[in-house]
Amino acid sequence: AQSVTQLDSQVPVFEEAPVELRCNYSSSVSVYLFWYVQYPNQGLQLLLKYLSGSTLVKGINGFEAEFNKSQTSFHLRKPSVHISDTAEYFCAVRNNNAGNMLTFGGGTRLMVKP
Amino acid sequence: ETGVTQTPRHLVMGMTNKKSLKCEQHLGHNAMYWYKQSAKKPLELMFVYSLEERVENNSVPSRFSPECPNSSHLFLHLHTLQPEDSALYLCASSLRGGRDGYTFGSGTRLTVV
Repeated sequence: AQSVTQLDSQVPVFEEAPVELRCNYSSSVSVYLFWYVQYPNQGLQLLLKYLSGSTLVKGINGFEAEFNKSQTSFHLRKPSVHISDTAEYFCAVRNNNAGNMLTFGGGTRLMVKP
Repeated sequence: ETGVTQTPRHLVMGMTNKKSLKCEQHLGHNAMYWYKQSAKKPLELMFVYSLEERVENNSVPSRFSPECPNSSHLFLHLHTLQPEDSALYLCASSLRGGRDGYTFGSGTRLTVV
């Protein structure tokens, strides 16, 4: 069975500072990887995804993530955050042998302070 | 607007009421999902429908009853709920194969009183 670990439940950061949200997964087969963002009282919105090819993936709102197969990680980064980036961020993994199912991490709350 | 529409956005119901949550998508997707999101808990997958057949039921209490009449619509029928069922209920859809991930609705905020 696959699992997804987001090590940090909360990440406080000052506006315009860089940020990295960590995601590690366990799977013995190839995977698709996703990051979602959830603003208060809304559903989850896809930020970016890795399917294959270049390990550096760029998404919306200036976010990017890097797939590292040897470390089974898919960390999310942004070089300079804005107040509006305050939200919950979820990492998700789809095991390519497991049908449609995505496995979600527990989420990381990014809190951007002025 | 994501393409997945959930109604109502907010619902307050008593423990003896019967209500239904509705989810609709016109993205051409053929798999639909119900998730429960409670405060300070991970997302909980409740039900999965693929090509209108239920393929996953994660030990959800029988007071939650899903219905998928066609590939565009998904319902969650609720009856005799408990206060601990108060949560944000999220619907999502995808194509079988899931290369594009899921598209989520905005959710229904349910409060059981």
